[in-house]
Amino acid sequence: DAGVTQSPTHLIKTRGQQVTLRCSPKSGHDTVSWYQQALGQGPQFIFQYYEEEERQRGNFPDRFSGHQFPNYSSELNVNALLLGDSALYLCASRSLVRGYTFGSGTRLTVV
Amino acid sequence: KNEVEQSPQNLTAQEGEFITINCSYSVGISALHWLQQHPGGGIVSLFMLSSGKKKHGRLIATINIQEKHSSLHITASHPRDSAVYICAVSRPGAQKLVFGQGTRLTINP
Repeated sequence: DAGVTQSPTHLIKTRGQQVTLRCSPKSGHDTVSWYQQALGQGPQFIFQYYEEEERQRGNFPDRFSGHQFPNYSSELNVNALLLGDSALYLCASRSLVRGYTFGSGTRLTVV
Repeated sequence: KNEVEQSPQNLTAQEGEFITINCSYSVGISALHWLQQHPGGGIVSLFMLSSGKKKHGRLIATINIQEKHSSLHITASHPRDSAVYICAVSRPGAQKLVFGQGTRLTINP
């Protein structure tokens, strides 16, 4: 049973560019959350998707947007990248019974 | 003050020692989660607790709802247990996890 799959694992982008990160949730999970973890910090909540809609959003600018597809997979898009967007981006899927399952993350470096 | 506080921030011990990591929270919760993160890696969910105690192998997690406190114990610690252990809470009606700052555990052989 595959867990949460994120792609790509590593990515280098130039300031001002746009990036799309992808997440496939664990089988049986229908809710996907995205977190940003800067080096040495705890994860910060970006947003959560359920039934293809954004249900809650953290304190992130509109440059961060997302999407959830009918198969529950999700994308995180970041526009106009800043150096400060360099971080590990974590995707977590959830079931009410078993709680959260995290992916291994995408490490984004903005240069 | 953070909603979720962990102690200690760093812990170094010898192989075989009994390890305890503490987590205190100041808000009402629907569940508390203990997570493990290896360097440069993703996060593994160890436990989800809403009451009492859970055990998995050498790991034991307890929670006291009245005192708003949880502990993660590792028995017979091993160098492969070296990682950052993170406490996080989910709040009733809210969709996000609120994370503690993590405890960096190093087990020396």
